[in-house]
Amino acid sequence: ILNVEQSPQSLHVQEGDSTNFTCSFPSSNFYALHWYRWETAKSPEALFVMTLNGDEKKKGRISATLNTKEGYSYLYIKGSQPEDSATYLCAFKALMDSSYKLIFGSGTRLLVRP
Amino acid sequence: SQTIHQWPATLVQPVGSPLSLECTVEGTSNPNLYWYRQAAGRGLQLLFYSVGIGQISSEVPQNLSASRPQDRQFILSSKKLLLSDSGFYLCAWMPSGRTGELFFGEGSRLTVL
Repeated sequence: ILNVEQSPQSLHVQEGDSTNFTCSFPSSNFYALHWYRWETAKSPEALFVMTLNGDEKKKGRISATLNTKEGYSYLYIKGSQPEDSATYLCAFKALMDSSYKLIFGSGTRLLVRP
Repeated sequence: SQTIHQWPATLVQPVGSPLSLECTVEGTSNPNLYWYRQAAGRGLQLLFYSVGIGQISSEVPQNLSASRPQDRQFILSSKKLLLSDSGFYLCAWMPSGRTGELFFGEGSRLTVL
């Protein structure tokens, strides 16, 4: 059974604070690691797709790193804004039985107070 | 460009009634298709995925089934709903290749009473 763990489960920060979340995943059958942002009343949207150990991706104030050997990824938000409030999901993509499975963690729910 | 649609958006059904959620993808061929469910207070749980017409893989034993009668159509069904089937259901597709990301439909909220 593929297990993806995210921490913390929820996070309340003040506008302007920087924050980070952790995603832990199996180190075997690794194919890619995804991060998604899920805003209330919308569908999840992809932030990053990372495939190589040591990958670092950045989009505006949000960045992510990947360590496939130890099985973790960090998502950083610099200078949080209220519009960053959402649930952040990571997903582990594995190639198994000739097909791709994308297994999600339970998410980190971020609330940024103005 | 590719689009994905699922319907209905909301559904209230009595226990024991049947279910059919439909999902269609436009603008691509032979996509990998997925059904996920978010139960209350939990993340996204993979229910079914399909790599082609008639090819369905189930991730968890449950009261639901899936079918792919056409290349870009994915259907989630149940013959008799249970209370525990309540939740938010998301259809998604992903292009082939290592860097492909999931594109989600609008979601369907099912309440079983």
